Amino acid sequence: RKEVEQDPGPFNVPEGATVAFNCTYSNSASQSFFWYRQDCRKEPKLLMSVYSSGNEDGRFTAQLNRASQYISLLIRDSKLSDSATYLCVVNGMRSQGNLIFGKGTKLSVKP
Amino acid sequence: EPEVTQTPSHQVTQMGQEVILRCVPISNHLYFYWYRQILGQKVEFLVSFYNNEISEKSEIFDDQFSVERPDGSNFTLKIRSTKLEDSAMYFCASSEMVYEQYFGPGTRLTVT
Repeated sequence: RKEVEQDPGPFNVPEGATVAFNCTYSNSASQSFFWYRQDCRKEPKLLMSVYSSGNEDGRFTAQLNRASQYISLLIRDSKLSDSATYLCVVNGMRSQGNLIFGKGTKLSVKP
Repeated sequence: EPEVTQTPSHQVTQMGQEVILRCVPISNHLYFYWYRQILGQKVEFLVSFYNNEISEKSEIFDDQFSVERPDGSNFTLKIRSTKLEDSAMYFCASSEMVYEQYFGPGTRLTVT
């Protein structure tokens, strides 16, 4: 089983749509979870950390299910500027500092 | 807003040559990292650095690689003898605590 698995997409949605991304991770001992976004040929940018209780930041909601080793990201009212690749990230096996990235889910928001 | 900077943005080198990639982490951050991303693939961890020593490294980070913090601001990655398969985007990252890492814009390394 891959360490972090994501649906590669692409997800093609109209502006204003709600879109959800899912991710599973293999290391049950992982303690830190994040969503990053990456624009084409750019660096990953931290979108939000994911907490056990779930958390929301404006139009973005992240949830964590430790029992299922599952992380989700919900984007409401999609904007054209949300078009990017969304990376699910967890800390690595041996330490908190080693981040393990998924391959990402590509989102394209159309007018 | 403070950010991680990296130079150069693009480096072209011949196989077997040494390259040094430079990074200036965010000033109050204590943890520094290098990652790489081969075109079309996922971001991969190379090494983490704390308190002037390597705290963890991946299998990719073999004897050809080294890191250094030569002064109070710079953090460098050296590849001693580059191979074609070292061609990738190299990202430096830093964090105040261990958890939330902020990435620089990357150096695109092309080995010919």
